Amino acid sequence: DAGVTQSPTHLIKTRGQQVTLRCSPKSGHDTVSWYQQALGQGPQFIFQYYEEEERQRGNFPDRFSGHQFPNYSSELNVNALLLGDSALYLCASNAGAEREGFHNEQFFGPGTRLTVL
Amino acid sequence: AQSVTQLGSHVSVSEGALVLLRCNYSSSVPPYLFWYVQYPNQGLQLLLKYTSAATLVKGINGFEAEFKKSETSFHLTKPSAHMSDAAEYFCAVTLYSSASKIIFGSGTRLSIRP
Repeated sequence: DAGVTQSPTHLIKTRGQQVTLRCSPKSGHDTVSWYQQALGQGPQFIFQYYEEEERQRGNFPDRFSGHQFPNYSSELNVNALLLGDSALYLCASNAGAEREGFHNEQFFGPGTRLTVL
Repeated sequence: AQSVTQLGSHVSVSEGALVLLRCNYSSSVPPYLFWYVQYPNQGLQLLLKYTSAATLVKGINGFEAEFKKSETSFHLTKPSAHMSDAAEYFCAVTLYSSASKIIFGSGTRLSIRP
């Protein structure tokens, strides 16, 4: 079992550019969440995808968008990059959508380190 | 709204000493609480979780945490620190289930002195 995989591992972009990060969920998982972890801080929830739709969203601007494919893999797109977008972007997957009392653990990938110059 | 506060951004203990990492939560409904560990240049790994069953939760690598509703706390402990425990630790909370968006604390870096 490969677990959650993310690509690329590292990425360097300049302000104003656009970036796409990719995530493949753990085998058997159909839900993907994205988190942003700035240096020295805890991860912050960006959004969650289930059945190819955005189900939950955190407090991030519309410059952050995503997509989920029929094979459950997901992309995170960030437009008009700002210096403040430099961070580790983590993908997490789990089986099933949110419902009260449902406790399938979210498994995290190793992350993509994005540097914006 | 849910939130967690981790007291102490950096904790240093000697090898073999007790590890205590503090976490207090705020939640309008009964929370689900978690501790994650992050080793350098790696993702997050779940140490343990509280989901309204037993208040004393045992996790991996000898860690445990106790849910205290009266103190709104969920402190992480380990009786004897090992050099391999050096890492960043995050307390976290979700609203409905483990599949909900996870709200993380700011983290505590644990250092182990030989």
